[in-house]
Amino acid sequence: QKEVEQNSGPLSVPEGAIASLNCTYSDRVSQSFFWYRQYSGKSPELIMSIYSNGDKEDGRFTAQLNKASQYVSLLIRDSQPSDSATYLCAVKWRSSASKIIFGSGTRLSIRP
Amino acid sequence: GAGVSQSPRYKVAKRGQDVALRCDPISGHVSLFWYQQALGQGPEFLTYFQNEAQLDKSGLPSDRFFAERPEGSVSTLKIQRTQQEDSAVYLCASSFQETQYFGPGTRLLVL
Repeated sequence: QKEVEQNSGPLSVPEGAIASLNCTYSDRVSQSFFWYRQYSGKSPELIMSIYSNGDKEDGRFTAQLNKASQYVSLLIRDSQPSDSATYLCAVKWRSSASKIIFGSGTRLSIRP
Repeated sequence: GAGVSQSPRYKVAKRGQDVALRCDPISGHVSLFWYQQALGQGPEFLTYFQNEAQLDKSGLPSDRFFAERPEGSVSTLKIQRTQQEDSAVYLCASSFQETQYFGPGTRLLVL
């Protein structure tokens, strides 16, 4: 089992719809979770971080965390063509002060 | 202010050549990370510095890889005797309160 797993996609969503991106992780004691967006040929940029079970909303983005199920998701409401990118799930590993493990990313395509 | 910068942006090396990749973090960021990203994959952790101390180097794939940050600011990732499998984008990130800010990366191609 990979440490952080994501469906590679591509996930195709019509403009204006909700895009749902999912991620599972293998380390039960991880406490910090992140979603990064990466445009083709560019470097990752942080969209959301989440630390507690439940939902966290920021504009059109909602991160959801369920530690019991070791599952974290990202919802993008009112999807726009500019949301087309690869979305990377990242988990701060165990009690490490630093090590962050990334998933392989889900490619999202918003069709007009 | 200025973001994380990396140089060179592109590097072509012949197999067996040594390369050095530079990272200039955001001023004041004590934490610095190096990642390797292969095409179609997420970034793979290589190593982490807090100031000048290298606290975690568990991701370095072999002893051909070496990183340093002697004065707690600029960092250099050195790859000795490059191999074709070293071809990837090497990303540097500095962080503040768990938010990582990535540089543009160095794309390394080993022929």
